[in-house]
Amino acid sequence: GENVEQHPSTLSVQEGDSAVIKCTYSDSASNYFPWYKQELGKGPQLIIDIRSNVGEKKDQRIAVTLNKTAKHFSLHITETQPEDSAVYFCAASVSGGSYIPTFGRGTSLIVHP
Amino acid sequence: ETGVTQTPRHLVMGMTNKKSLKCEQHLGHNAMYWYKQSAKKPLELMFVYNFKEQTENNSVPSRFSPECPNSSHLFLHLHTLQPEDSALYLCASSQEGLAGGTAYEQYFGPGTRLTVT
Repeated sequence: GENVEQHPSTLSVQEGDSAVIKCTYSDSASNYFPWYKQELGKGPQLIIDIRSNVGEKKDQRIAVTLNKTAKHFSLHITETQPEDSAVYFCAASVSGGSYIPTFGRGTSLIVHP
Repeated sequence: ETGVTQTPRHLVMGMTNKKSLKCEQHLGHNAMYWYKQSAKKPLELMFVYNFKEQTENNSVPSRFSPECPNSSHLFLHLHTLQPEDSALYLCASSQEGLAGGTAYEQYFGPGTRLTVT
């Protein structure tokens, strides 16, 4: 089955800096890669996703890049703000196969004001 | 508000109690999921239902019993739990619930924080 590795487990940055979280996956059939943000006391919520027919996607301060050859994808947050502090999860799943996602272990992002 | 609600938000129960967790989705989705989230562990998939039929049971102990009476409601019945079952239980739903279909994002509820004493 699919295996998703996520690094780092904890990331501490100063407000205004950029943050990068990286994930690798093992199943070359995976073609859908969502990123979730989980704030304290809440369930994970989708912040951005990418499908394998594109290499990069941006939404304001958030971007995701995908390298299918290397089987890794990354989340980039620019100009970080304290409200970006949360746990971020990457996931991988297969359209056309089992659609159920495999999640990474999560990254706790702390943005210091 | 994600369109997925869970009740109760917090639950404390003894090991001999029986209780149920409830999830409701207002999004018209076909698939619903139960996950267990423990500290410092990845999200653990427990059960998947699509079109009201259970399609995944991820080796979950029988003290957890799911029920899906329709595509909008999902229950998790709990009995004779152990202290190690204390965790956040998350319900999620998604649009596509068929193997071979398109994978879509999941919408999560806020979770039920369960403590077993």
